[in-house]
Amino acid sequence: EAGVAQSPRYKIIEKRQSVAFWCNPISGHATLYWYQQILGQGPKLLIQFQNNGVVDDSQLPKDRFSAERLKGVDSTLKIQPAKLEDSAVYLCASSPGQGMNTEAFFGQGTRLTVV
Amino acid sequence: AQSVTQLGSHVSVSEGALVLLRCNYSSSVPPYLFWYVQYPNQGLQLLLKYTTGATLVKGINGFEAEFKKSETSFHLTKPSAHMSDAAEYFCAVSFLSGAGSYQLTFGKGTKLSVIP
Repeated sequence: EAGVAQSPRYKIIEKRQSVAFWCNPISGHATLYWYQQILGQGPKLLIQFQNNGVVDDSQLPKDRFSAERLKGVDSTLKIQPAKLEDSAVYLCASSPGQGMNTEAFFGQGTRLTVV
Repeated sequence: AQSVTQLGSHVSVSEGALVLLRCNYSSSVPPYLFWYVQYPNQGLQLLLKYTTGATLVKGINGFEAEFKKSETSFHLTKPSAHMSDAAEYFCAVSFLSGAGSYQLTFGKGTKLSVIP
């Protein structure tokens, strides 16, 4: 079974530029998450999708971050314009459901450096 | 509110020694608890999870964790460390968010170093 695929693996941009990350979840997984992991911290949820609908985006900085999930499969996360504090690893995860004991499967992440 | 505290951001053990990584949680309801491992430049991989039933949970790579409600703890252990265990370990608790969906709250992580 193929895992969660993310691209690119690494990205370096200047502040005020825009950037987009792509995620392809495990086939059949209805729930998709985007997490931000700042160096030295645990992952923090940015947005959660159920199929192609947003379930929770309360921690997404909507003035600069946006995300969509097309046809309930692939997802993109965009930052525009980027700030220095956006430097982090962006992790995509998926799960077959959204129950309390449902395991999330993570991709390898995209490491973003804003200079 | 649910939260997770991992004691020690960095733990070093000798190869063959006991590994003990500490995790305490705060939850207003019976918790579902998870341990994930992250190898350098990789995503997170589930080691084990506690849902209900037996309080001693066995996971992959020889790791196990014991749920102790009275101590609100879910410490991760392994009897004998291998060099390949060097990684960062995250404890997480599942909770019902205000949006009505189940989500994970992660601790800050503990980086495990194994000394030859």
